Amino acid sequence: AQSVAQPEDQVNVAEGNPLTVKCTYSVSGNPYLFWYVQYPNRGLQFLLKYITGDNLVKGSYGFEAEFNKSQTSFHLKKPSALVSDSALYFCAVSVREGGGNKLTFGTGTQLKVEL
Amino acid sequence: DAGVTQSPTHLIKTRGQQVTLRCSPKSGHDTVSWYQQALGQGPQFIFQYYEEEERQRGNFPDRFSGHQFPNYSSELNVNALLLGDSALYLCASSLAGVVLGEQYFGPGTRLTVT
Repeated sequence: AQSVAQPEDQVNVAEGNPLTVKCTYSVSGNPYLFWYVQYPNRGLQFLLKYITGDNLVKGSYGFEAEFNKSQTSFHLKKPSALVSDSALYFCAVSVREGGGNKLTFGTGTQLKVEL
Repeated sequence: DAGVTQSPTHLIKTRGQQVTLRCSPKSGHDTVSWYQQALGQGPQFIFQYYEEEERQRGNFPDRFSGHQFPNYSSELNVNALLLGDSALYLCASSLAGVVLGEQYFGPGTRLTVT
């Protein structure tokens, strides 16, 4: 079985400061990891993914994430936060099974960026 | 390029009733997945359809069923609605030929069961 943990319900950061949203995962095979963002009353928007290769993955809107196999983590980062980054962030993991690619999500982390 | 569309946007039903939700995938996509997102929770995988067949299923009862049409659009049906079925239902599409390609999500259908 696969699972994802997002240990922080909410992260607060000042605009212009770096931000980190934490994610750890558990899978029995090779993990394929994703970050999505959700704005109020909206669906999920893809930010970035790790499939294989370089452990530092760059995505949309200046976000990046670092895959750490030994710590089973995939933390989302951004060097300089914007107020417009305030939203709900979800980490997700997928494994190849039966030809499908279902996503297993964490419970989400609310990011609040303040002036 | 049209993204994933879902209808209706909102729906209110009574316990015991049946509901059908609809989804049109992103242009060029052939795989549709459905997720249930309860308030304050992450999305939970219901099932995935490819080539008009259910390819994967999550831990949801048989009251939840689906269908995929030749044009790749999909329906989610829920029978004998319970109060606990109240949630945001998200449809996501992807391309089967892309290994673990990202899934693109629609805006969701908000179902309220009273």
